[in-house]
Amino acid sequence: DAGVTQSPTHLIKTRGQQVTLRCSPKSGHDTVSWYQQALGQGPQFIFQYYEEEERQRGNFPDRFSGHQFPNYSSELNVNALLLGDSALYLCASIRREQETQYFGPGTRLLVL
Amino acid sequence: AQSVTQLDSQVPVFEEAPVELRCNYSSSVSVYLFWYVQYPNQGLQLLLKYLSGSTLVESINGFEAEFNKSQTSFHLRKPSVHISDTAEYFCAVSARNNNDMRFGAGTRLTVKP
Repeated sequence: DAGVTQSPTHLIKTRGQQVTLRCSPKSGHDTVSWYQQALGQGPQFIFQYYEEEERQRGNFPDRFSGHQFPNYSSELNVNALLLGDSALYLCASIRREQETQYFGPGTRLLVL
Repeated sequence: AQSVTQLDSQVPVFEEAPVELRCNYSSSVSVYLFWYVQYPNQGLQLLLKYLSGSTLVESINGFEAEFNKSQTSFHLRKPSVHISDTAEYFCAVSARNNNDMRFGAGTRLTVKP
């Protein structure tokens, strides 16, 4: 039973560029959440997708957007990258009506 | 919205000593509580969780946490730590009516020989 997978593992971009990160949820899970974890901090909730729609959103600007596909996988897009967007981006999945989220290994993004 | 405060950013202990990592939460609704562990350059792994029932929950590797509603706390304890327990530990809370999970800033546990 595969867990949550994310790609790529590492990414280097320059300011102003755009980036797309990908996540495949754990088998049987239909809800995907994205988190940003800056160095030395706890994960911050970005948004959550269920039934291909954004259901909840944290305090992140519109430069952060996402998508969920019919197979429940998800993408996180960040436009106009800033140096402060450098972080570990974590994807978590859960089956709706259950309580426990399972996390992927993360994508480490470095913006130069 | 709910929030979490982890009271210690770093906790150094010697091997085989007991440890307590403190976590307080704030919420206007009923919550689920979690502890996750993060090893260097890895994602988060669920350590234990409180959903309902017994206020004392245990993990398979000797950690335990007690939900204290009156003190809004969910402290993590282990009676005897190992070198391999060195990691970052995150306390998290989510409201029972959604999956919006909020994390504390983390506690770095360093176990010294």
